[in-house]
Amino acid sequence: QVQLQESGPGLVKPSQTLSLTCTVSGGSITSGTYYWSWIRQPAGKGLEWIGRIYDSGGTNYNPSLRSRVTISVDTSKNQFSLKLSSVTAADTAVYYCARDDVVGNWFDPWGQGTLVTVSS
Amino acid sequence: IQMTQSPSSLSASVGDRVTITCRASQSISTYLNWYQQEPGKAPKVLIYAASTLQGGVPSRFSGSGSGTDFTLTISSLQPEDFATYYCQQSYSTPPWTFGQGTKVEIK
Repeated sequence: QVQLQESGPGLVKPSQTLSLTCTVSGGSITSGTYYWSWIRQPAGKGLEWIGRIYDSGGTNYNPSLRSRVTISVDTSKNQFSLKLSSVTAADTAVYYCARDDVVGNWFDPWGQGTLVTVSS
Repeated sequence: IQMTQSPSSLSASVGDRVTITCRASQSISTYLNWYQQEPGKAPKVLIYAASTLQGGVPSRFSGSGSGTDFTLTISSLQPEDFATYYCQQSYSTPPWTFGQGTKVEIK
């Protein structure tokens, strides 16, 4: 079955850019029936949807983060990526990638998550 | 669209019937999904489209509701059900939003 795995630096300095990649295995990212989303969760807090990308490259972003977020896709590597610029301590969180069903927009499956800490 | 869950936490015993509610700030038809998150793990979808059980999810979980008010019910709480539960709306266009979560603890 499809599995997702996040990768990237666990520590980012304030004002720099957070960069993460999600590798999809067990299925093609170009299936056409899914979006591919990023979601984050600060420690002890709830879930925040960051944005998503379709295999064609079309994107949607959360307005609260739109000015700082870029999501891209590399279909040749079956990967999609997140860049979040000008980070602050408030961006410290566990970042998840997840598959987003085109019809109903529920998230399944999810990656295991990766903790990114913003600190100097 | 804002999602509000209640209660924020609850204590229950094995075998209890547990009900969690989720209210949307506007009508979302049945575009409502429920997730379970165990400590240190990623969320897992339990129910989508308000009442459809995801494959492999035990039948003691059920969902109902439409419009603005929704319910997740666990008919007989099991030890593995102690976790945090989130609702998520997927109505119309993004941004998708989650409720703040309901933590189910052992009494």
